[in-house]
Amino acid sequence: QKEVEQNSGPLSVPEGAIASLNCTYSDRGSQSFFWYRQYSGKSPELIMSIYSNGDKEDGRFTAQLNKASQYVSLLIRDSQPSDSATYLCAVKGFGKGAQKLVFGQGTRLTINP
Amino acid sequence: KAGVTQTPRYLIKTRGQQVTLSCSPISGHRSVSWYQQTPGQGLQFLFEYFSETQRNKGNFPGRFSGRQFSNSRSEMNVSTLELGDSALYLCASSFLTSGTYEQYFGPGTRLTVT
Repeated sequence: QKEVEQNSGPLSVPEGAIASLNCTYSDRGSQSFFWYRQYSGKSPELIMSIYSNGDKEDGRFTAQLNKASQYVSLLIRDSQPSDSATYLCAVKGFGKGAQKLVFGQGTRLTINP
Repeated sequence: KAGVTQTPRYLIKTRGQQVTLSCSPISGHRSVSWYQQTPGQGLQFLFEYFSETQRNKGNFPGRFSGRQFSNSRSEMNVSTLELGDSALYLCASSFLTSGTYEQYFGPGTRLTVT
């Protein structure tokens, strides 16, 4: 089992709709969770961080964390064509030697005008 | 505030050579992490430095090494290059405040080994 799993997609969503991206992780002790956006040919850009169970909203983005289910998600409301990118879920490990970010393979999102 | 900078941006090397990549973190950030990104393996952690000390290391061979200087700038070195080392090498810096771990990436160095 991979440490961080994401559906690779591609996920296709019409403009104006809600895009839902999901991520599961295996280290039950993980405390910190991040979503990065990566445009083709560019480096990853941090868009959300979440540390506590529940929802965290920032503009059109909402991150949701459920530690009991080892599940973190990202919702993008009112999707725009500029949101088309690969979204990477990253989880910070817990414990000595695990204080690093582990990334999922990414979900490729396409917003259709 | 200026972002993370990496030099060079592009590099072409031949097998057997060695290469040194440089990273300057965001001002005030003392943690620097290095990642390798390939289409097949995704983003993989190489190592992290904090205050000139290596805090964590990923599962890469000893040909991959790094260091951090007193001004937090970091370098990574790859010796005896192999074709499989062709990748985007990303550096990320973090302030590492209590309870947070946001990492900010530089633009990357695209290494091609021929």
